[in-house]
Amino acid sequence: GQNIDQPTEMTATEGAIVQINCTYQTSGFNGLFWYQQHAGEAPTFLSYNVLDGLEEKGRFSSFLSRSKGYSYLLLKELQMKDSASYLCAVRDGGFQKLVFGTGTRLLVSP
Amino acid sequence: AAGVIQSPRHLIKEKRETATLKCYPIPRHDTVYWYQQGPGQDPQFLISFYEKMQSDKGSIPDRFSAQQFSDYHSELNMSSLELGDSALYFCANSLDGGYYEQYFGPGTRLTVT
Repeated sequence: GQNIDQPTEMTATEGAIVQINCTYQTSGFNGLFWYQQHAGEAPTFLSYNVLDGLEEKGRFSSFLSRSKGYSYLLLKELQMKDSASYLCAVRDGGFQKLVFGTGTRLLVSP
Repeated sequence: AAGVIQSPRHLIKEKRETATLKCYPIPRHDTVYWYQQGPGQDPQFLISFYEKMQSDKGSIPDRFSAQQFSDYHSELNMSSLELGDSALYFCANSLDGGYYEQYFGPGTRLTVT
């Protein structure tokens, strides 16, 4: 079975840095994805990790440790528009479907 | 850049009716996934197709069926609709059987009354 855990909610201040953690236990693993989702809208692809280490993409970075079943998404220089849900998703090794975590709702305040 | 197109964007149906949701992929993206997202929940995988063949099946009710056509667009057919089917339905596209990241369409919001 699959089990992917994220904090339910986080708050941060504009301009700050926030780290959203994701732990997973899955039967198959072929990569971990982070998506951003605003309410009522489609998930938007942010980052992808398949090997251990840090991937940096502008204000967003994502880290993966396969041995620990752990990933985090780091958001720097937070902006108000970053208020959204952040979904951690594991790509199932067998058939490439995404298994999503419960999502972390981030609220950025002035 | 071209994105995933879904139609309709909003759909209201009554219980026991049928609905058809359509997904038009990004050009040359040969893999399509359907996800269902209930209020306050994470997207749940329903079914996927690669090169017009079903590649995987998730928590899709027997009342639902789907297919991918020769032009790679896909349709999700839903029959005997129930109140619990009210949700956002996303279609996502990928390349080469899902090796690459999945790009999501804007979704169809289905409301069953």
